[in-house]
Amino acid sequence: QKEVEQNSGPLSVPEGAIASLNCTYSDRGSQSFFWYRQYSGKSPELIMFIYSNGDKEDGRFTAQLNKASQYVSLLIRDSQPSDSATYLCAVTFSGGYNKLIFGAGTRLAVHP
Amino acid sequence: DAGVTQSPTHLIKTRGQQVTLRCSPKSGHDTVSWYQQALGQGPQFIFQYYEEEERQRGNFPDRFSGHQFPNYSSELNVNALLLGDSALYLCASSLMGQGGGNQPQHFGDGTRLSIL
Repeated sequence: QKEVEQNSGPLSVPEGAIASLNCTYSDRGSQSFFWYRQYSGKSPELIMFIYSNGDKEDGRFTAQLNKASQYVSLLIRDSQPSDSATYLCAVTFSGGYNKLIFGAGTRLAVHP
Repeated sequence: DAGVTQSPTHLIKTRGQQVTLRCSPKSGHDTVSWYQQALGQGPQFIFQYYEEEERQRGNFPDRFSGHQFPNYSSELNVNALLLGDSALYLCASSLMGQGGGNQPQHFGDGTRLSIL
């Protein structure tokens, strides 16, 4: 059973701080890693993806991948109240034909 | 550039009925995947269509079926509806590309299905 695990939260951070969201996965053959943001009552929105070990930065967001330790993280710098949402980690596994396996999500609350 | 569009937005059905949900992929995409998201959970993969064929299926019963048309749009059909089928149904599109996949998937706004 291929699994993706996330802490459900809520993760509460003050405005302007760095929010760190973590995700672990079970299959060492995993190939692609995605972070989606989902506001309450809305659909998931792709914010980052990463394929190789290391860091990938896009604006205030940085995705970090460590395949040896089987974890992927998302850092949000200068957190804003508008970042308050559920963040879903998704992974594609080897032989999975781009089938996304999602974690249950981490709820982030950024307070002024 | 049109994104992924789904219809209808909301739907209310009763147990035992059948439902059809529709999806048009993002312009330039050729692959459609369907997911079910229950409240408080991450989306669960139902199946994926590419070149009008079901490429992979998740752990869902045969009551769930689908179709992809030559214009890449897709339908999800659910027969003999159960109370437990109440969920947000999400369509995601992507470009298959070389290597068989792993391209980012973009989601539509979803169809919220309620079973009474």
